[in-house]
Amino acid sequence: SQQGEEDPQALSIQEGENATMNCSYKTSINNLQWYRQNSGRGLVHLILIRSNEREKHSGRLRVTLDTSKKSSSLLITASRAADTASYFCATDSGSARQLTFGSGTQLTVLP
Amino acid sequence: DAGVIQSPRHEVTEMGQEVTLRCKPISGHNSLFWYRQTMMRGLELLIYFNNNVPIDDSGMPEDRFSAKMPNASFSTLKIQPSEPRDSAVYFCASSFQGISNQPQHFGDGTRLSIL
Repeated sequence: SQQGEEDPQALSIQEGENATMNCSYKTSINNLQWYRQNSGRGLVHLILIRSNEREKHSGRLRVTLDTSKKSSSLLITASRAADTASYFCATDSGSARQLTFGSGTQLTVLP
Repeated sequence: DAGVIQSPRHEVTEMGQEVTLRCKPISGHNSLFWYRQTMMRGLELLIYFNNNVPIDDSGMPEDRFSAKMPNASFSTLKIQPSEPRDSAVYFCASSFQGISNQPQHFGDGTRLSIL
């Protein structure tokens, strides 16, 4: 079973708007990572947030982590058509040294 | 710096045939992962290696699937015999695993179709 579940499954917005995607997970984690997947390509790492961090920024990306609620959110500000992709959260739950990926959010940014 | 390289990019074959997927990880990475992605099941971890040793193969669906990593720069995933339900995109990823997990770098996958 998958550790992370993204919400919503699909999101369609206009260029310039902000996009927010959420991820919920079930067990305690060491860190949580967000990845992007363009159609026909592999996943690309975007950002990693550790369990003792609450917020992290990278360019137009902002990630928050609430370990008490076992949830994370990814905010993309001032979206562009090139941001159209699927976005996945992945949890690192410790000694297993492997990631468990969620089911993804399909983001469409309309020009 | 070259990323993770997978071959072939596409494979179409008839059921019962042997299929071999190949992966060259990023130089210096010590962990390699094989995933399968389908619409129904999402991204599933099949097996991962650390320092060329298989650590967890609990995701390998059946004995028809096998994976090897003979050295730090090459891995194969083999399906024999193949079945139509094996049709999926297979990804290889690599990373450097030290004290904490580092991000994984994915190849562009092999799109496998079993007829």
